Amino acid sequence: DAKTTQPPSMDCAEGRAANLPCNHSTISGNEYVYWYRQIHSQGPQYIIHGLKNNETNEMASLIITEDRKSSTLILPHATLRDTAVYYCIVLNYGGSQGNLIFGKGTKLSVKP
Amino acid sequence: DAGVIQSPRHEVTEMGQEVTLRCKPISGHNSLFWYRQTMMRGLELLIYFNNNVPIDDSGMPEDRFSAKMPNASFSTLKIQPSEPRDSAVYFCASSSHRAYGYTFGSGTRLTVV
Repeated sequence: DAKTTQPPSMDCAEGRAANLPCNHSTISGNEYVYWYRQIHSQGPQYIIHGLKNNETNEMASLIITEDRKSSTLILPHATLRDTAVYYCIVLNYGGSQGNLIFGKGTKLSVKP
Repeated sequence: DAGVIQSPRHEVTEMGQEVTLRCKPISGHNSLFWYRQTMMRGLELLIYFNNNVPIDDSGMPEDRFSAKMPNASFSTLKIQPSEPRDSAVYFCASSSHRAYGYTFGSGTRLTVV
């Protein structure tokens, strides 16, 4: 059963910020939020992850609500190459290596 | 760093034949994962290894599928006998720690006719 809910598709204008939402209302205290993306015909690519604080790296920013029931991935200046399927995944950090279970994701289309 | 290397990139085989997919993980990564992707079912985890030991193979669809990891630098996924419904893209991924994410290979596109 999917632990996350994402819109099936979104559009974004090139150069604008892309804000991809994810609901994970049943997330537990030891579960992290991970984001991956898959560009057509390629393997999934790790983007970012976080527990409860906002995170930023060279690819994106991750905003997690205080109650941790939802999060938003932000691509600050989307380009055509950001067109991909974006997956939000919750993962237990503790114990042995947890497994990435992919849902259907959000298909982001960046348009010129 | 060459990343996760999978071979072959494409494989076309006849029903009933044995198929072997290969994966070389990133050096130093101690976990390896095999995924399968189809339009109908999306990305499915088939099996994962930790320190060359299979930990969870509950995603392997049936006994026709088997996976091995004889050493830290090589893994195989074998299908014997192959069937048309096995047609999919098979991805291998490796990881040193989930904090650093998983690195996926480019995949093997398998077509069984």
